[in-house]
Amino acid sequence: AQKVTQAQTEISVVEKEDVTLDCVYETRDTTYYLFWYKQPPSGELVFLIRRNSFDEQNEISGRYSWNFQKSTSSFNFTITASQVVDSAVYFCALSGDTDKLIFGTGTRLQVFP
Amino acid sequence: EAGVAQSPRYKIIEKRQSVAFWCNPISGHATLYWYQQILGQGPKLLIQFQNNGVVDDSQLPKDRFSAERLKGVDSTLKIQPAKLEDSAVYLCASSLVGRGSSYNEQFFGPGTRLTVL
Repeated sequence: AQKVTQAQTEISVVEKEDVTLDCVYETRDTTYYLFWYKQPPSGELVFLIRRNSFDEQNEISGRYSWNFQKSTSSFNFTITASQVVDSAVYFCALSGDTDKLIFGTGTRLQVFP
Repeated sequence: EAGVAQSPRYKIIEKRQSVAFWCNPISGHATLYWYQQILGQGPKLLIQFQNNGVVDDSQLPKDRFSAERLKGVDSTLKIQPAKLEDSAVYLCASSLVGRGSSYNEQFFGPGTRLTVL
């Protein structure tokens, strides 16, 4: 069975702090994809990143960075120098042999000025 | 490029009533998904269409939920009769191709927030 666990329900930080959102996954598929989505108060899911199981290189995009470690089945997301606009719910998701996305329960990030 | 459109954005009904949601995917996208997102949880796939055929409806409560995608474009999701636990946001997503292809990103619509009283 596939499963995504986001143990952090809610995180609060002050602007300019760095914050890491944790994601742990379970799958028996040898080929799979991992995702992060952002859901602002407007409700729409915004795609942030996709990583396939054969690519363990970390990725940086502006203030965002992702750390993928197959050995610990983790795909963590770090926001550097957080801003108020980063306040949202962030979802980690997994897709295996099918296109079906399995989402975690989400982490609510609140960034205070 | 226009995104995934959904209507209505909000709906309030009483239990045992019926309700329908509409989704228009991105033009040219073969695969369409309906997700249910209960407050405090991640989205859960209800049904996946590829063109106008169903490829996965394993988590659709078929005694009360139905969905169709006529002509392989727009889709409607219906609940009849609604229960209190159906209160959720219903998200529609589309992707260029589907199962069997290299992965294609799913683009999500704004969702329909349903409240059942």
